[in-house]
Amino acid sequence: SQKIEQNSEALNIQEGKTATLTCNYTNYSPAYLQWYRQDPGRGPVFLLLIRENEKEKRKERLKVTFDTTLKQSLFHITASQPADSATYLCALVVSGSARQLTFGSGTQLTVLP
Amino acid sequence: AAGVIQSPRHLIKEKRETATLKCYPIPRHDTVYWYQQGPGQDPQFLISFYEKMQSDKGSIPDRFSAQQFSDYHSELNMSSLELGDSALYFCASSRTGESNQPQHFGDGTRLSIL
Repeated sequence: SQKIEQNSEALNIQEGKTATLTCNYTNYSPAYLQWYRQDPGRGPVFLLLIRENEKEKRKERLKVTFDTTLKQSLFHITASQPADSATYLCALVVSGSARQLTFGSGTQLTVLP
Repeated sequence: AAGVIQSPRHLIKEKRETATLKCYPIPRHDTVYWYQQGPGQDPQFLISFYEKMQSDKGSIPDRFSAQQFSDYHSELNMSSLELGDSALYFCASSRTGESNQPQHFGDGTRLSIL
């Protein structure tokens, strides 16, 4: 069956450290993968998009990697801040689809001051 | 920058009533997606439209219908509402003409069924 799993439901880290979130998928052929941030009661906010033929993308303190052999994406937040505390969702767009997103269950990140 | 606008932000209905949710995409975005997010759940795809035509259908109940209008805004119509329809309903838009463009989400409509 098709699954998208994110490493853990909750992740607590100390301010200033690097947070690493994992997204693993099975039985999908993603064309690309996106990472979103969601705060309670708000819509997901787009962070980064990485295509199947790309290994790494960066944006300011954010970095995402994509390994189609391992079927895994890693999302890193360096120099984390309490304001980074939120739920982070990975989402796949499947090759040949109408580009709807299939989401993982999310990881709730808490950055402790 | 302009974002996706959804209205209303909150809606309270009773069982068996109808509801209409509206979505105004980002200017020049030609594709609209609707998602449903239950409490503690990830968003689930319902339906999408590209250039006013339905492009794909997900787990949308037959009691729901949607359309995209000539100005690209979209409406999700929900009938015979059930308690289980209580959720956050998100609309997202993208510019499909350009390859691999991300979807941008509105802040959703919180629908509560009493």
